[in-house]
Amino acid sequence: DVKVTQSSRYLVKRTGEKVFLECVQDMDHENMFWYRQDPGLGLRLIYFSYDVKMKEKGDIPEGYSVSREKKERFSLILESASTNQTSMYLCASSKAGGSETQYFGPGTRLLVL
Amino acid sequence: DAKTTQPPSMDCAEGRAANLPCNHSTISGNEYVYWYRQIHSQGPQYIIHGLKNNETNEMASLIITEDRKSSTLILPHATLRDTAVYYCIVRAERSGAGSYQLTFGKGTKLSVIP
Repeated sequence: DVKVTQSSRYLVKRTGEKVFLECVQDMDHENMFWYRQDPGLGLRLIYFSYDVKMKEKGDIPEGYSVSREKKERFSLILESASTNQTSMYLCASSKAGGSETQYFGPGTRLLVL
Repeated sequence: DAKTTQPPSMDCAEGRAANLPCNHSTISGNEYVYWYRQIHSQGPQYIIHGLKNNETNEMASLIITEDRKSSTLILPHATLRDTAVYYCIVRAERSGAGSYQLTFGKGTKLSVIP
């Protein structure tokens, strides 16, 4: 069965803190993605990775970085959290290729005070 | 990317079929139609996808018109657990990296009523 897990369901951080969001998939997928979802703005891609140590910027990478040291794990890092990064963060994974289905984790709701 | 248009909301009686429409009149020949749903405060759940032919799986059926300008997702026997926002998406393939981005619109909020 398809399984994508995220380290936290809810997180509260203060402005300026460094924040780590972890995502793990157990499907041996090559591709992994980080999105954020905000009311009225839909789903927006932050970064994705198509292989270990490989990454590409999505539409809104500013203020974020990512790390993929192992195939099953993709981390999103907020170097210095700001209030406008308060959002729902969603991780997804898929097999390699451009037509493969993406499977999502449960999401992390981050509040930056 | 091809855009999609969905009604903002729909109601369906429990046990009846839920038919959710989607218009994608600018779809290209090699673009797939995907359906996801999102139950409140959870991550999106994949339902089904198709290119030209109708598709069926354990969750739903997907009917795509012959001109591919619209499609309908059918939940054959809706239950209260099917209450969610349903997103119709046309896949956009990113160049260079063998992966693709999903763009979710506003979707259709389906309410299944007892």
